[in-house]
Amino acid sequence: KNEVEQSPQNLTAQEGEFITINCSYSVGISALHWLQQHPGGGIVSLFMLSSGKKKHGRLIATINIQEKHSSLHITASHPRDSAVYICAVNSGGSNYKLTFGKGTLLTVNP
Amino acid sequence: DGGITQSPKYLFRKEGQNVTLSCEQNLNHDAMYWYRQDPGQGLRLIYYSQIVNDFQKGDIAEGYSVSREKKESFPLTVTSAQKNPTAFYLCASNVGRNQPQHFGDGTRLSIL
Repeated sequence: KNEVEQSPQNLTAQEGEFITINCSYSVGISALHWLQQHPGGGIVSLFMLSSGKKKHGRLIATINIQEKHSSLHITASHPRDSAVYICAVNSGGSNYKLTFGKGTLLTVNP
Repeated sequence: DGGITQSPKYLFRKEGQNVTLSCEQNLNHDAMYWYRQDPGQGLRLIYYSQIVNDFQKGDIAEGYSVSREKKESFPLTVTSAQKNPTAFYLCASNVGRNQPQHFGDGTRLSIL
């Protein structure tokens, strides 16, 4: 079993829909990251969380430490949001190393 | 503008050949990382460096080597001992522990 599990693996939505991507982890963590990878391959860091909730524009990230679960929400989705969204954690043993989920491929149709 | 530059974008390796992937950052970050991405798998850590002249093996270091002679540079050599080198390689950096990582645009390595 992977230490970081994401669901769903693939998600197709219509423009304007509210989207939720989930991430569960099985180890103690010091921080959780949400990343976005576009078709060209480059990766951008969206959020780093250790508790609570963060918001940036139409993106919202939440984390529940007790349940070892995080969600990434996209409000009013747009075709330009189409990308792979990756969850990663700094697990307790090392504050430098990240353990990654396999990613969620999001396609938003106009 | 500050950022991470990886080169080349595409690289082809012949059997028995060593190849070196370049990673340069002008963000003044202390820590740098190399990851490998294969289809259907999460990124896996190859090597990382917390400071100049120091580096540690990641989860899949066999067949790879690195150096960190300058703060801004962290080249990765894929040696002939790496029997399955075809993958997408990503370099990243951050200021230190528990901080967001900044990523380069990646190098796609293929076998000829």
